[in-house]
Amino acid sequence: DGGITQSPKYLFRKEGQNVTLSCEQNLNHDAMYWYRQDPGQGLRLIYYSQIVNDFQKGDIAEGYSVSREKKESFPLTVTSAQKNPTAFYLCASSTTGDNSPLHFGNGTRLTVT
Amino acid sequence: AQSVTQLGSHVSVSEGALVLLRCNYSSSVPPYLFWYVQYPNQGLQLLLKYTTGATLVKGINGFEAEFKKSETSFHLTKPSAHMSDAAEYFCAVSARQAGTALIFGKGTTLSVSS
Repeated sequence: DGGITQSPKYLFRKEGQNVTLSCEQNLNHDAMYWYRQDPGQGLRLIYYSQIVNDFQKGDIAEGYSVSREKKESFPLTVTSAQKNPTAFYLCASSTTGDNSPLHFGNGTRLTVT
Repeated sequence: AQSVTQLGSHVSVSEGALVLLRCNYSSSVPPYLFWYVQYPNQGLQLLLKYTTGATLVKGINGFEAEFKKSETSFHLTKPSAHMSDAAEYFCAVSARQAGTALIFGKGTTLSVSS
């Protein structure tokens, strides 16, 4: 079955360490997205990519970095510059039609202590 | 710019009662609108979407939503709640540009009691 795989589901890191969250899709979608979810704040866009080797900052990109070397993969690195990294991170993908819904992975819960 | 406001962070209903989750949007262009559902520790699943045409949109699990341009609303309803409907619901608006991200509301948690 086609879908989006995020790994790991739970991730624990010490403050000051960079950490990379994996997102892989086999839906043949061109566009991929990273959202951060915090209780009561909905989903906030971190980065998105419409095509391989290109990506754009979202609303809260500071302290994060991404790469898009392959169509299937869009890893997110949470750097030590991110002041409050503990959150639930969701990856999504879509076709590039302008009414295309997003397909979501099951998320990675990152805890930084 | 687009934005979404979901009225009520928590809604509680009894099993069998009407479900009404409110969503108002702001958009400088005719919007595309979406409702998603999220179960605990999972990703979001599409319930329904409005693009053009019929303003009453039917989705999965018996949910439907009506686009009302004059009220800038896209409220989600279900005639009879089921225990399995307990989840968090998100309304989202699209900027109507290919490949751009959706803008989400802050979500409404639906509780269903027996």
